[in-house]
Amino acid sequence: SQQGEEDPQALSIQEGENATMNCSYKTSINNLQWYRQNSGRGLVHLILIRSNEREKHSGRLRVTLDTSKKSSSLLITASRAADTASYFCATAGTGANNLFFGTGTRLTVIP
Amino acid sequence: DTGVSQDPRHKITKRGQNVTFRCDPISEHNRLYWYRQTLGQGPEFLTYFQNEAQLEKSRLLSDRFSAERPKGSFSTLEIQRTEQGDSAMYLCASSARGLAGSYEQYFGPGTRLTVT
Repeated sequence: SQQGEEDPQALSIQEGENATMNCSYKTSINNLQWYRQNSGRGLVHLILIRSNEREKHSGRLRVTLDTSKKSSSLLITASRAADTASYFCATAGTGANNLFFGTGTRLTVIP
Repeated sequence: DTGVSQDPRHKITKRGQNVTFRCDPISEHNRLYWYRQTLGQGPEFLTYFQNEAQLEKSRLLSDRFSAERPKGSFSTLEIQRTEQGDSAMYLCASSARGLAGSYEQYFGPGTRLTVT
């Protein structure tokens, strides 16, 4: 079974707006990663945040992590049509070698 | 191209046939993973190799599935006696040790299997 749960399941915004996606998980983690997947393709790694970090930035992406609430958020600022994709959070548990993925948020950016 | 590659990209097979997929990881990565993804879901872990050793297998990996990484480089995933429920995207990923023991996984484009 998958550990993570993303919210919302689908999000539709206008180009230029910000998009926020949330992820909740159930057990202790070593790190949390966000991935993007365009329709029918492989996953692209976006950003990794370790359990002792609270916030991380990469370009237009901002990720936060609250281990006390077992939750993370991904903010995409100034969205573009090319950001249209599914976004997944994935957790790596302490001592675990695999990732547990959520069900994803389907983001649509309308030009 | 130095990313993870998978072959074939698409495979259509009849129920009961055997299929084999190949994954070539990023060359300096010692870890290799197989995942399965069905429509509308996130990837689910199947198995993991460190070099040539298969160190972990999911309960999803029934005895009809076998994976190898004979020389610690490329890997193959074989499904015997395919069933319609095996229809999915099979994803391969590789990683190397990063900061503080974290492993960023880099995914290939996947092999989409359709069992008719």
